[in-house]
Amino acid sequence: DGGITQSPKYLFRKEGQNVTLSCEQNLNHDAMYWYRQDPGQGLRLIYYSQIVNDFQKGDIAEGYSVSREKKESFPLTVTSAQKNPTAFYLCASRDRGNDYGYTFGSGTRLTVV
Amino acid sequence: AQRVTQPEKLLSVFKGAPVELKCNYSYSGSPELFWYVQYSRQRLQLLLRHISRESIKGFTADLNKGETSFHLKKPFAQEEDSAMYYCAPNQGGKLIFGQGTELSVKP
Repeated sequence: DGGITQSPKYLFRKEGQNVTLSCEQNLNHDAMYWYRQDPGQGLRLIYYSQIVNDFQKGDIAEGYSVSREKKESFPLTVTSAQKNPTAFYLCASRDRGNDYGYTFGSGTRLTVV
Repeated sequence: AQRVTQPEKLLSVFKGAPVELKCNYSYSGSPELFWYVQYSRQRLQLLLRHISRESIKGFTADLNKGETSFHLKKPFAQEEDSAMYYCAPNQGGKLIFGQGTELSVKP
């Protein structure tokens, strides 16, 4: 199903708790990305990784952390330092060797109560 | 600051009418430019990339370097075109999205 899987689809957490969102791809893509989608604000880049064991901050990295220990996996942790974590989170991947654009996952909706 | 602007949050047209979704960017150099589309309850997916100069589902987009624009056009809108459209330059390995334009095609 699309080659990139995000889980879970819906996630509820209490305020102050860290939570980790999963993103796995079997497309053999080098680069992976995390975006946050809020109504009226489009998609904003949180973190991205162009190669295993390396990642860079995007525009809104504060309160988030990532790791890239395997090519297939790019988990995102939403920490208690994130002021407004309730949002829709999208993961994407791209093969750096071509210009076929990005492949997106189906997203995780995180609600902090 | 580098940015991409989609000035219309909502664009509403009748079926069969022409449609143009505007996109302006302020990136230096020659960014790769894409249009992505998100239909209701579906994943965000690639619609067009400027390098290929192709037409997908009747949509075309021309890169105007002088005006730094990459407007998306279709001569005759269909109801199934109703969706959220995002313009996105890719520069330096990062895809940066505009705020998106919701296209509503009425019967």
